[in-house]
Amino acid sequence: IQMTQSPSSVSASVGDRVTITCRASQGIGTSLAWYQQEPGKAPKLLIYPASSLQSGVPSRFSGSGSGTDFSLTISSLQPEDFATYYCQQANGFPVTFGQGTRLEIK
Amino acid sequence: QLQLVESGGGVVQPGTSLKLSCFVSGFKFGAYGVHWVRQAPGKGLEWVAVISYDGYNTFYGDSVKGRFIISRDNSKNTLFLQMNSLKIEDTAIYYCARDTALGTAAPRLDHWGQGTLVTVSS
Repeated sequence: IQMTQSPSSVSASVGDRVTITCRASQGIGTSLAWYQQEPGKAPKLLIYPASSLQSGVPSRFSGSGSGTDFSLTISSLQPEDFATYYCQQANGFPVTFGQGTRLEIK
Repeated sequence: QLQLVESGGGVVQPGTSLKLSCFVSGFKFGAYGVHWVRQAPGKGLEWVAVISYDGYNTFYGDSVKGRFIISRDNSKNTLFLQMNSLKIEDTAIYYCARDTALGTAAPRLDHWGQGTLVTVSS
């Protein structure tokens, strides 16, 4: 299953609302995870399944979608949110990630 | 405190072998599946392999199938990745990561190590 994210990068300001999309090449129900990776650090699981926040993840993050189309929204960007975000299909093996979306400060 | 600590990375020549280890603590290792994921310099995440909680089931990414072997020793809380016939394109940071469940289906990775760098160069 191929995962395609868009955009590949986005520039935004603190307080902005940003949405990242992820498309699967075939239907995966809600078996989708989102990760955040800060520079020089390991990825962190934010959301699984498609709309459920992991414990400790701020409520400004939200996920939606099912089937083939998914999105991650950050409602009001904070300085610590500038990072790279990856989607990953959790429907089965082999595991596949999207190519990543780099969120940069404008 | 849950921890995963990778080791064994280094600089090797193409065609040679290398074995990575991942020592875990803070949770019952034998109850979870565990994965290897890699990231080439400046690139995205690429899934490498998974092993089920009991070691009986393994799955591999296409780019490493037939060259890499994932294994585990539950008595020593340690995950391994034997990498053979290394290629320049295997150069990456290699992360071990815990699955949220048994590692036999619906893979999602909730805790990650900090990674170990493997450089394949002549």
